[in-house]
Amino acid sequence: GDSVTQMEGPVTLSEEAFLTINCTYTATGYPSLFWYVQYPGEGLQLLLKATKADDKGSNKGFEATYRKETTSFHLEKGSVQVSDSAVYFCALRGGGNEKLTFGTGTRLTIIP
Amino acid sequence: DTAVSQTPKYLVTQMGNDKSIKCEQNLGHDTMYWYKQDSKKFLKIMFSYNNKELIINETVPNRFSPKSPDKAHLNLHINSLELGDSAVYFCASSQGGRGGGEKLFFGSGTQLSVL
Repeated sequence: GDSVTQMEGPVTLSEEAFLTINCTYTATGYPSLFWYVQYPGEGLQLLLKATKADDKGSNKGFEATYRKETTSFHLEKGSVQVSDSAVYFCALRGGGNEKLTFGTGTRLTIIP
Repeated sequence: DTAVSQTPKYLVTQMGNDKSIKCEQNLGHDTMYWYKQDSKKFLKIMFSYNNKELIINETVPNRFSPKSPDKAHLNLHINSLELGDSAVYFCASSQGGRGGGEKLFFGSGTQLSVL
């Protein structure tokens, strides 16, 4: 079945550091890939997505590129801010599948 | 206005009790979901309804029963609560027909603690 593996947290970085959160997936067909973010005390919200190979999703300075050859969708940001502190979830929706499959989440803490 | 609202926000109860969590969305979406997030933040889908019809039912104990009176509401009733049911339960909705949508809108969660 479909699955998503993302790097274990927690991740703690200083403000303005470079961020990478790794995500790899297993799926049949051609899945769509997503990053969701959960700020403290809130529900998840979509951060960015990519629907086919080599697509790059981007939002709020975050980027992720759909790499079919490595089955990866790593999240990156060049300069993080304290307000980026949250839990980040990688997710996929397989072709013909009716549900999103989430990774286990990575807690990110940015210190000033 | 809150797009997806669920109540209560916190629920503390004894083992063996029956409780309900309510969810309403005002986005006009066709599809609603219940997700369970455990203490390690692992998020797992439980149910999905499209236009009041159950379309996803993961391996969930039958003590959990979703009810959708209309497409804007999806309530979750839990019978005979157990310690292992303690978690945060998220309601979500999306637009996109039977296949659901790719962009889910989540409620802020209900933290259930079973003592």
